[in-house]
Amino acid sequence: GAGVSQSPSNKVTEKGKDVELRCDPISGHTALYWYRQRLGQGLEFLIYFQGNSAPDKSGLPSDRFSAERTGESVSTLTIQRTQQEDSAVYLCASSFNMGGGNEQFFGPGTRLTVL
Amino acid sequence: GESVGLHLPTLSVQEGDNSIINCAYSNSASDYFIWYKQESGKGPQFIIDIRSNMDKRQGQRVTVLLNKTVKHLSLQIAATQPGDSAVYFCAENRAGGYQKVTFGTGTKLQVIP
Repeated sequence: GAGVSQSPSNKVTEKGKDVELRCDPISGHTALYWYRQRLGQGLEFLIYFQGNSAPDKSGLPSDRFSAERTGESVSTLTIQRTQQEDSAVYLCASSFNMGGGNEQFFGPGTRLTVL
Repeated sequence: GESVGLHLPTLSVQEGDNSIINCAYSNSASDYFIWYKQESGKGPQFIIDIRSNMDKRQGQRVTVLLNKTVKHLSLQIAATQPGDSAVYFCAENRAGGYQKVTFGTGTKLQVIP
């Protein structure tokens, strides 16, 4: 079956521009997560969705970052006024429900480069 | 604060040998642990998990060991193959309700042909 998909796979943008990253989770997965991964580093939690609401936004690094989810499906992560330090791979994951102890399925990520 | 960390940032293993990747955790409330494999340019992929009521769990060529006394987790890969070359992450959270999954910093496994 289809896994988690993300688009675009690569995004190059100029400093100060806004970018929008998309995640399509596995159908039926109610939980959705966004992570950031800088080169050679681990996963940094950004935000978690249960359905269309985000009970945990604690990982968003600044107010330039926002995310939404609609139809308990697609999610978009928006970064406004991008900075060079935003350059990273942004990973999306989904899981069957919000309970801890459920496997997260990851997408391939979007590689963002801010020039 | 609570954290999950790894003892070795890189590990080089001869093809055919067994690999052991270690992970330490500090949150004693954690009761669910996962190992992920991340190949270059791809997202992490689930390998195996273990709950705190178990000490050992085996999969295909992989075994996870959990020592709750010393808060230590390990991943053993038998007969390591070139395709096993990747970064391996341990992760921990608590079952029941939403609990943020905490990922370790990762260990890079290099398999020498």
